[in-house]
Amino acid sequence: DQQVKQNSPSLSVQEGRISILNCDYTNSMFDYFLWYKKYPAEGPTFLISISSIKDKNEDGRFTVFLNKSAKHLSLHIVPSQPGDSAVYFCAASSYNTDKLIFGTGTRLQVFP
Amino acid sequence: NAGVTQTPKFQVLKTGQSMTLQCAQDMNHNSMYWYRQDPGMGLRLIYYSASEGTTDKGEVPNGYNVSRLNKREFSLRLESAAPSQTSVYFCASSLSGSTEQFFGPGTRLTVL
Repeated sequence: DQQVKQNSPSLSVQEGRISILNCDYTNSMFDYFLWYKKYPAEGPTFLISISSIKDKNEDGRFTVFLNKSAKHLSLHIVPSQPGDSAVYFCAASSYNTDKLIFGTGTRLQVFP
Repeated sequence: NAGVTQTPKFQVLKTGQSMTLQCAQDMNHNSMYWYRQDPGMGLRLIYYSASEGTTDKGEVPNGYNVSRLNKREFSLRLESAAPSQTSVYFCASSLSGSTEQFFGPGTRLTVL
């Protein structure tokens, strides 16, 4: 049972445009969500997070939106750059645990 | 400050052989984790350790054992490797109470 789902395995976006990566979850106990970015042959690196008490968190070109009623979050990258080409993982955790549940990832390709 | 280091980077085993994947962190983190990443499956937790001397099973622990040697080091052992254990293995660490995990560069393991 996949508790965190990323239904789009890949996304291709032109440089300068917006990239929108989506993530759905099923467990209503999740209260903290993170996005990780992964380049080939490297480990994932933390990108941005959001607590369930917020519906938006922004960090430079990256914004994460959370819709608790829909159990959906999205990562917006504006403007997209070629260096953003990577695999993006959504992850979630429940209160009082350090463990993360990861989605299957979305491969973003930003072309010139 | 090297962060999280993993050895080896690559390994090829024959079915039935054993090996230990090593992980060390120099960030004084209490919590450490072992994940495997497979195509279309995202990152799945194998084992984790909330502190020195404690370990707990994650989502996919069968066929693996772990040792939290000290605060810095957390090793993953395959006693009798199987082709189904062909994967990329990531070690991660975090501060207690923090969901932000820091990942190592990974070990690519192939079992023939």
